[in-house]
Amino acid sequence: DIQLTQSPSFLSASLGDRVTITCRASEDIKNYLAWYQQKPGKAPKLLIYDASTLQGGVPSRLSGSGSGTEFTLTITSLQPEDFATYYCQQLYSYPVTFGPGTKVDIK
Amino acid sequence: QVRLQESGPGRVKPSETLSLTCTVSGYSISDNYWSWIRQSPGRGLEWIGYIYKNGSTNYRPSLKSRVTMSVDTATNQISLRLTSVTAADTALYYCARARVYCDTASCYSDDAFDIWGQGTLVTVSS
Repeated sequence: DIQLTQSPSFLSASLGDRVTITCRASEDIKNYLAWYQQKPGKAPKLLIYDASTLQGGVPSRLSGSGSGTEFTLTITSLQPEDFATYYCQQLYSYPVTFGPGTKVDIK
Repeated sequence: QVRLQESGPGRVKPSETLSLTCTVSGYSISDNYWSWIRQSPGRGLEWIGYIYKNGSTNYRPSLKSRVTMSVDTATNQISLRLTSVTAADTALYYCARARVYCDTASCYSDDAFDIWGQGTLVTVSS
């Protein structure tokens, strides 16, 4: 199985901050990476697919980049609705796997 | 509006079979791949497998011997059976739709999950 690691595991930030979350894959997954946001008591929500393409309705302050084994999710100007846990997911090979998550909390 | 709703018993005894149903509304299950994904504090998000309208499946290797998925196009439902459960199977179980994208030639599906159900908690306990 392809392993995904995320850093940091926890991030404390203020409104308006720029935050970056990194996802690393244990092998080359090209650009077959998705990002999700999950809030307490809710299902994950697809934010980005193909490493950098925003899902419809996702605000442009979110962006994704990377290819191969290293990927980033960036949120510019953090808003109240952005405080959540973020997961990366590889869809390059089966079984698809998810990262352990990064929780973004209010400083 | 597409909606997915999981249902099933909230508690299953060890060694018994977990059975869940995902009812899809606002969308035909014949048009996509459907996955089951579970989430627990110890394992995080874990993909269980997918099923397509023709019954073709792909299961997580570590669960393959215990998992069966099925589709019922008449009721627009997807089902999951997991046999011989243990406490390690305690989790929030989600059904999810695989993303579909189209070009001028055809439509395709990948394994980014664009619609999820709300999830159903299953506890394995005697």
